[in-house]
Amino acid sequence: QVQLVQSGAEVKKPGASVKVSCKASGYTFTSYGISWVRQAPGQGLEWMGWISAYNGYTNYAQKLQGRVTMTTDTSTSTAYMELRSLRSDDTAVYYCARDGLGVFGFYWGQGTLVTVSS
Amino acid sequence: EIVLTQSPATLSLSPGERATLSCGASQSVSSSYLAWYQQKPGLAPRLLIYDASSRATGIPDRFSGSGSGTDFTLTISRLEPEDFAVYYCQQYGSSGTFGQGTRLEIK
Repeated sequence: QVQLVQSGAEVKKPGASVKVSCKASGYTFTSYGISWVRQAPGQGLEWMGWISAYNGYTNYAQKLQGRVTMTTDTSTSTAYMELRSLRSDDTAVYYCARDGLGVFGFYWGQGTLVTVSS
Repeated sequence: EIVLTQSPATLSLSPGERATLSCGASQSVSSSYLAWYQQKPGLAPRLLIYDASSRATGIPDRFSGSGSGTDFTLTISRLEPEDFAVYYCQQYGSSGTFGQGTRLEIK
């Protein structure tokens, strides 16, 4: 069965960077893309961007351009999302999600809480 | 960027009633690339509907989606206790923006 297992919670200081991982299993990793979605406490979902696990093509949300980098490691079937210059309003649960039938959010990881606090 | 606006923000209904949730887009969503998700507290979202009207695997047939262009609707024909949650629409025709969500609560 398809599983996306994310790395554990992180606490970072303002200005630092965070890198969240998403290890995939149960399918051919390079056949699908991975999206990243975040959710601030008590707020809605925000799409951050998408990466093709086939060729590394990325499509980032305009708001995060220049601060976010999404990568994949096909040898370990793992996707990564790095966010730089962290601010307090980056505090959120970060989810990875795999495509299916053209939809970004067919399967979801369990989420990773990133807290930005001085 | 396509902006999605969901209404109402909160919907209060009783089990057994019919729920109608709306999602409006600021410009036409290409090829009806519109999905609906359900999210319960502390859990990841769950895909319900894709391509505006196709049910995802394992989703009960009381959930249905409709619409095209800029106006989309999620209908839950008869509410079950487990249906009370937050619902989001997402367009994936041009990047992947979400609506702000509709909270479906027990009346």
